[in-house]
Amino acid sequence: LAKTTQPISMDSYEGQEVNITCSHNNIATNDYITWYQQFPSQGPRFIIQGYKTKVTNEVASLFIPADRKSSTLSLPRVSLSDTAVYYCLVGGDNAGNMLTFGGGTRLMVKP
Amino acid sequence: DTGVSQDPRHKITKRGQNVTFRCDPISEHNRLYWYRQTLGQGPEFLTYFQNEAQLEKSRLLSDRFSAERPKGSFSTLEIQRTEQGDSAMYLCASSLVWEETQYFGPGTRLLVL
Repeated sequence: LAKTTQPISMDSYEGQEVNITCSHNNIATNDYITWYQQFPSQGPRFIIQGYKTKVTNEVASLFIPADRKSSTLSLPRVSLSDTAVYYCLVGGDNAGNMLTFGGGTRLMVKP
Repeated sequence: DTGVSQDPRHKITKRGQNVTFRCDPISEHNRLYWYRQTLGQGPEFLTYFQNEAQLEKSRLLSDRFSAERPKGSFSTLEIQRTEQGDSAMYLCASSLVWEETQYFGPGTRLLVL
């Protein structure tokens, strides 16, 4: 399974755009890139998933360069409620879709 | 609320006691997963079921840990002879077999005294 590297923590202010980059140099051809969000004392929540180029949904955008060795989660105009831990995961349907979480990025949004 | 429920939400027990946690997945989901999360770390995969079959259990932390999904619906995770190091959040997730996305429950927080 591909290992991911992401910043341990980030600070931002309300209304700003936040970009969190994840490195996954050993990503396999059939691996997808998935981001989860976790609030304290809750289970992780799916945010977005992509394979290449750009994916956008109502919550975030995911940018994936052509070599797929990294990806960037973009959160537009963050609010205080976006304070959470964000996990980048890569994987495909092997071992029953077992998710391998790293340490995540702790995003603190300040007023 | 993702539709995955876990019971209890909190459990305090004494070292050496057995504990059992329950997970009710989203009803049409045929895959069910268990993870453990310790403070400051990401969730760690333990085991998973496809319907009632336990297809991966090599990641269970020791033989004190066991899981069942007898009818392919709800699942239980049991820890026998608990140790203080078992204190953690135990998370359950479910998914459809052809989908990558897993939906997590709120977790059961275990404290072993």
